[in-house]
This record gives sequence, C-alpha cells and structure tokens, in this order.
Amino acid sequence: EVQLLESGGGLIPPGGSLRLSCSASGFVFGSYAMNWVRQAPGKALEWVSSIKATTGDTVYADSVRGRFTISRDNSKNTLYLEMSSLRAEDTALYYCAKDVNLGPPVYYFDSWGQGTLVTVST
Amino acid sequence: DIVMTQSPDSLAVSLGERATINCKSSQSVLFRSNNKNYLAWYQQKVGQPPNLLIYWASTRESGVPDRFSGSGSETDFTLTISSLQAEDVAVYYCQQYYFTPLTFGGGTKVEIK
Repeated sequence: EVQLLESGGGLIPPGGSLRLSCSASGFVFGSYAMNWVRQAPGKALEWVSSIKATTGDTVYADSVRGRFTISRDNSKNTLYLEMSSLRAEDTALYYCAKDVNLGPPVYYFDSWGQGTLVTVST
Repeated sequence: DIVMTQSPDSLAVSLGERATINCKSSQSVLFRSNNKNYLAWYQQKVGQPPNLLIYWASTRESGVPDRFSGSGSETDFTLTISSLQAEDVAVYYCQQYYFTPLTFGGGTKVEIK
C-alpha cells in the first residue's frame, strides 16, 4: 500500500523559511515523479512543483519560482520542499502526491498524503 | 497558462438522482498525436486529500464505482454521477495535465438535497 507522510509544517512569520518533507513507502520511490500541491483554507487545489524520478528535473508554479526548491533523496525515499521568503498567501495545507506513471511523468496523481499545514503569520 | 473553469460552484441533488459537473479549459487539452485528452477528475471529501476518479477524460481509476463517468473532448468536459449516493458528498475538481503549469478547476461542491 502506497503511503505518503508529510511533515515540517508550522507557524512561520512572513519572510521566514521552512522545509517540508514527505516520507514515502509502499512503492519504488525512485521510479516515480513526485509533486507538491497546496490548498489554502477553503480554497481550490493549486499545483506547486514537480520533480522527475531519476534526472531530478524540476518545474515550478510562477507563484513560487525562485522562492521554493523541490528536491528528493531516493536513498531515503523522501521528497522535500524548501520554502523561503514566505508570504501570507503561501498559507495552505501542502500535499505531496505521486505521479501515476512509472518513469516519465504524466502529471496526474494517484496517491496523496494527508498534508502538512503551513501558516505564514505574525 | 490553461485556465480551468468549473460549473456550477455547487449543486444539491436528491439521493439516486443524476449529478452533472462541467469543466471548461481555456485551450484544448487534446493531444492529437495520441488522441488523448489530458484531463483528470478528483473527489475530495471533507478533511481528506483528493482521490483520483477519472483520467484521460473518461477512464475510470481502478476501484471507482461505475456510477462515475467522464466525457468530453478538447475544451469541454463533464463528470457525471449517475445515481448519487450519500458517500458521494464531496468537492470535485478537474485538472489539466496537457502542460505545466498544471492547473485545477475551482471545484464543485456536491450535496444531498
């Protein structure tokens, strides 16, 4: 059974930094692209970033490019999201999500974690 | 960016009746070389992460009840719940994966009338 467990969220002041982690199990982590998707309270889903399985190629939403960095450690089955220069509008539940396809990503998601809440506020 | 627009924002349907949710993309998500529409549907129940229902616009994910169906092509898509059950109360999202940035619709909340 695929399991994704996010951690690292919390209350952080504007301008601060935070690193989220997503620990994966139940599948060959290193063979799948991984993603971060966020959801502000009461709002719709918003894609944040994706990272390919073996090349580590990354892509970002315009709203986070230059401030967030996605990375992965395939030896630890863990996905990361390094967040800096945080803004109030980054407040959201951050989900990690697994791409459906073994190998090259297709960019839709068949497994999601429960999310970790990031609150940017004084 | 491809903008995904869902309608209605919410709908209330009686148990056993049909629920229809629309999703319109600002440009075609049909990749003509493989004749596939790069469109997925997710269900999100309160307090839970999204759950994949439909991909390639009309292919049901394994384990999804057959009362859920997807249709449409290019820019106009529909998710239909043929006979609404109590456990279908949720918010439903469409997502295009034609290219990045990946984009979701604003969601449609389905309730029991």
